[in-house]
Amino acid sequence: DAGVIQSPRHEVTEMGQEVTLRCKPISGHNSLFWYRQTMMRGLELLIYFNNNVPIDDSGMPEDRFSAKMPNASFSTLKIQPSEPRDSAVYFCASSFSVASSGNTIYFGEGSWLTVV
Amino acid sequence: GESVGLHLPTLSVQEGDNSIINCAYSNSASDYFIWYKQESGKGPQFIIDIRSNMDKRQGQRVTVLLNKTVKHLSLQIAATQPGDSAVYFCAENSPRSQGNLIFGKGTKLSVKP
Repeated sequence: DAGVIQSPRHEVTEMGQEVTLRCKPISGHNSLFWYRQTMMRGLELLIYFNNNVPIDDSGMPEDRFSAKMPNASFSTLKIQPSEPRDSAVYFCASSFSVASSGNTIYFGEGSWLTVV
Repeated sequence: GESVGLHLPTLSVQEGDNSIINCAYSNSASDYFIWYKQESGKGPQFIIDIRSNMDKRQGQRVTVLLNKTVKHLSLQIAATQPGDSAVYFCAENSPRSQGNLIFGKGTKLSVKP
């Protein structure tokens, strides 16, 4: 079975450019999460969706970050304009449901972003 | 002042020995716990989970122990192999967190051949 699929795997972009990260969750999973991992802060939750609806976006750093989930099989995380401090690994993850405890969250391989 | 990077606790073990990785969780209401393994350049990978109505659960070469009294979780790896070298994260979930896992800072396991 395919796991969580993310693209691009690696991206290097210049400061000020728009960055779009993409995610396809595991088929049948109703919840989708975007995490950011850095050496400074570890693994941080940015936003998560349940049934395509954003539930908690309190982890989104600022207005430059936005996330959408137009359907059950696709989500995007956009940074506009990007800044060097946005350089990190961005993980997408999915689970069957957030409605109850006990649902394992499965991670993709990450999108490695470098903003120069 | 100058910022410093996240300093991960490191555990170094000899190949073939048993490893014990510890985690202190924060929320006494948490009722579900997961251990993840993250190898260099990869995403966190599910290893084993445990619900709060249990105090021990075993998998293949791994055992998770839960002590709710002191809010402590441990991961035991039997006969540690070089392929076990990675960063290990514990994560907790509570009913109030709506399924959002809270991750610990991680422990780096290094296996010496």
